[in-house]
Order: sequence, then C-alpha cells, then structure tokens
Amino acid sequence: AQSVTQLGSHVSVSEGALVLLRCNYSSSVPPYLFWYVQYPNQGLQLLLKYTTGATLVKGINGFEAEFKKSETSFHLTKPSAHMSDAAEYFCAVSSGSARQLTFGSGTQLTVLP
Amino acid sequence: NAGVMQNPRHLVRRRGQEARLRCSPMKGHSHVYWYRQLPEEGLKFMVYLQKENIIDESGMPKERFSAEFPKEGPSILRIQQVVRGDSAAYFCASSPGRAGTGELFFGEGSRLTVL
Repeated sequence: AQSVTQLGSHVSVSEGALVLLRCNYSSSVPPYLFWYVQYPNQGLQLLLKYTTGATLVKGINGFEAEFKKSETSFHLTKPSAHMSDAAEYFCAVSSGSARQLTFGSGTQLTVLP
Repeated sequence: NAGVMQNPRHLVRRRGQEARLRCSPMKGHSHVYWYRQLPEEGLKFMVYLQKENIIDESGMPKERFSAEFPKEGPSILRIQQVVRGDSAAYFCASSPGRAGTGELFFGEGSRLTVL
C-alpha cells in the first residue's frame, strides 16, 4: 500500500519569495516520486521525477525537489516565485507501475504581487 | 505535435442519462489510462488499457462504468445512468509503452456535471 500526504491545501507566497510545497509519502517498496502541476482547466504536466540515483532532482521552470528517505519526504522548492507559478501542484508516488500511481490531494499555490 | 486530446471538455447530463468521454492518445502512444478527480481531491486511477485490451480496471466502479480502446479510434469511457456523485473531472493519460516509472502525458480533462 502507498499513500501521499501534502501538507497545506493552500499556500500563498509573495513574488520573489521562496516556494516550499511539502509532500510526505508512504510506500512498502522503494518509491518513484513525482510532482505534477495543473493550471486552471488544464491537464497535469510533469514538473520533475525521482526514480533512482541523485536525490536532488531538478525540473522545469526552476523547480527542484529532494528525496529524503529517512524523512519519507519529497518537498518541492523554488528559490524565487513568479506570478506564472500560480497553479495546483500534485505530489505522486508509484511503486513501479503507472496504474499504481497514487496522488496527493494537491496544494493550490497563490503568488501575491 | 498534438498532445492527448479529450472531448468533450465540458458535458452536462441529467440523472439517468449516459455520458461518453473520448480520448485520443499522443501519436505513437498505445497505452491509455483514465483518472477521476473529484472536487478538492487528487486524481484516482480508474482503468488502464492497451489497444483492444483492458489491462487493469481495479479502480473502476463495479457498475455503470465501462471503458474501451478499440483498434481504430479513440478510447471511450462510458458512464451509464449517471448520478450526481459522478460529477467530476475525468482525465485521460497516455504513454508510449508500459510506463513503469509512472511518467504519463495528460489531456486537459472532461468535466462532467450531473444535474
């Protein structure tokens, strides 16, 4: 069994400030971890993923995430928020099969001018 | 380079009617997945199909829901005798092969409203 918890359903940051979106997972096997972004009325777009290897993963649009096994976390960060980052962000975990991809409930990011 | 195409984008049905949602995967992709997103929730897996085969339907409700991916044409998710609880966004995703790592390409979704 696997699950994902995203702490904070809504996060607001000022433009230029650090973005930190939290994700904790549980998995009985070594996980594959993902962050997806969803803009209003659109589908999900892959931001970044961790499968194996380097635990700090860089994605598109300046986002990165670090896999911390000891903390079962995969938090998403960006040093400086931009207005265009306003969207909903989903963390997901897979045990190795796409049909077992489990999503968190999402975090809505608002960027304030 | 067209992505995953879903239609209709918005669909309104009255209770008891049928809803049909269509999905054309990305060019070259032969694997299709359907997910449902309820308000304020994440996406939940419904079904995984390859051409002419249902591989995994463990997330599909036991009644009223069916899916197909014929040899020719789009994948179709069919909901018979819709109820208000079926109101949701239905997302289709595709992959070129068995997406073992879970990297999927999503469509923009079909939003079903049941009156």
